[in-house]
Amino acid sequence: DIQMTQSPSSLSASIGDRVTITCRASQGISNYLAWFQQKPGKAPKSLIYAASSLQSGVPSKFSGSGSGTDFTLTISSLQPEDFATYYCQQYNSYPWTFGQGTKVEIK
Amino acid sequence: QVQLVESGGGVVQPGRSLRLSCAAYGFTLSSYGMHWVRQAPGKGLDWVAVTSYDGSNKYYADSVKGRFSISRDNSKNTVYLQMNSLRAEDTAVYYCAKEGYDGSGSYPDHWGQGTLVTVSS
Repeated sequence: DIQMTQSPSSLSASIGDRVTITCRASQGISNYLAWFQQKPGKAPKSLIYAASSLQSGVPSKFSGSGSGTDFTLTISSLQPEDFATYYCQQYNSYPWTFGQGTKVEIK
Repeated sequence: QVQLVESGGGVVQPGRSLRLSCAAYGFTLSSYGMHWVRQAPGKGLDWVAVTSYDGSNKYYADSVKGRFSISRDNSKNTVYLQMNSLRAEDTAVYYCAKEGYDGSGSYPDHWGQGTLVTVSS
């Protein structure tokens, strides 16, 4: 199975900050990488697919990059509604696997 | 718009069975692969199973293989997860998710609200 490792596991940031979350795959996955946002008690919401493509309806402050084994999710200017847990997920092969999550909290 | 509504969760004793349903609205279910993903309380996301658009191909996580079975009835716009021999570690919110296509691969682009399964005596 492909292991997905996110860093950091949590971070504290202020409104307006630029935030970057990293995801590393245990083997190459090309660009078969998605990012999700999850708020407490809610279902995950798709943000990014194919490593860098923005899901329809998602604001452009979210961006993704990377290929192979190393990927990043960037939020350009953190807003109150962005405080949540973020997950990366590989869909290169079954079983699909997720990173452990990065919780973004208010500083 | 796309809507997925899960049902069938509840409290069940270890060793017993439960069947979850996922009703699909707003898109043609027969054109898409469908997945079940679970999340134990306070934990991360854990992929469970997938069925291809026509039900001809199915894959399972090792942790549920031989105990869980995914199926679909496209005429009823519904996907199912039959869970047998349930264990305490199966306690989780179970989400169904629709596949989206990026041109060469598929990923979960829409998720239901989830249904909670609690395995406890």
